[in-house]
Amino acid sequence: QSVLTQPPSASGTPGQRVTISCSGSNSNIGSNKVNWYQQFPGTAPKLLIYRNNQRPSGVPDRFSGSKYDTSASLAISGLQSEDEANYFCAAWDDSLNGYVFGTGTKVTVL
Amino acid sequence: QVQLQQSGPGLVKPSQTLSLTCAISGDSVSSTRTAWHWIRQSPSRGLEWLGKTYYRSKWYNDYAVSVKSRITFNSDTSKNQLSLQLNSVTPEDTAVYYCARVQVIVAGGTGDWFDPWGQGTLVTVSS
Repeated sequence: QSVLTQPPSASGTPGQRVTISCSGSNSNIGSNKVNWYQQFPGTAPKLLIYRNNQRPSGVPDRFSGSKYDTSASLAISGLQSEDEANYFCAAWDDSLNGYVFGTGTKVTVL
Repeated sequence: QVQLQQSGPGLVKPSQTLSLTCAISGDSVSSTRTAWHWIRQSPSRGLEWLGKTYYRSKWYNDYAVSVKSRITFNSDTSKNQLSLQLNSVTPEDTAVYYCARVQVIVAGGTGDWFDPWGQGTLVTVSS
């Protein structure tokens, strides 16, 4: 069902940099901005990055986003234990006339 | 601070109607600067957008193609809340259902991100 493709998992030790990719197509990421959400087990997703690379108030600056062509990335620099969560990308899809989400990436802090 | 509080039954029988409510505090359901969305999440289907409702002099509903024939959104301005009804449910409709806000008009242009989300309601379709 998910239209945007993410790696199922990513991991790193505390302090490392972890990058998560989000691959889409011309009708979604290629034409629209990407937003990222963080979700802890049993809780609702929380906005992490909007408009490709903007951080809402309160989100640490170790989280950053970027977009190129039909792909986007989320980077976590200086990984911390509290960053262990699931991360989803999302974008509007012009062909489907609806929002599409990524498959989700579980980040583990080793 | 905007908060969305969801309520509704956690168990629905196959072929029956799933009904959920999302009570809004800190914003108005009829704000012309916002749209209210419904999203569901299941292990098999991941996150799935179900549609949105918004007020621009009158109410508009946009439904996802996958559920368009079975879904209805309503709004109650007196209670400042949204509701979702999904008819003829099957076990495939088992999921956690969320309501979420999009501020369409924001500083610097238009917005399309979901913030905040309701706490989620796990709905199981089973006899």
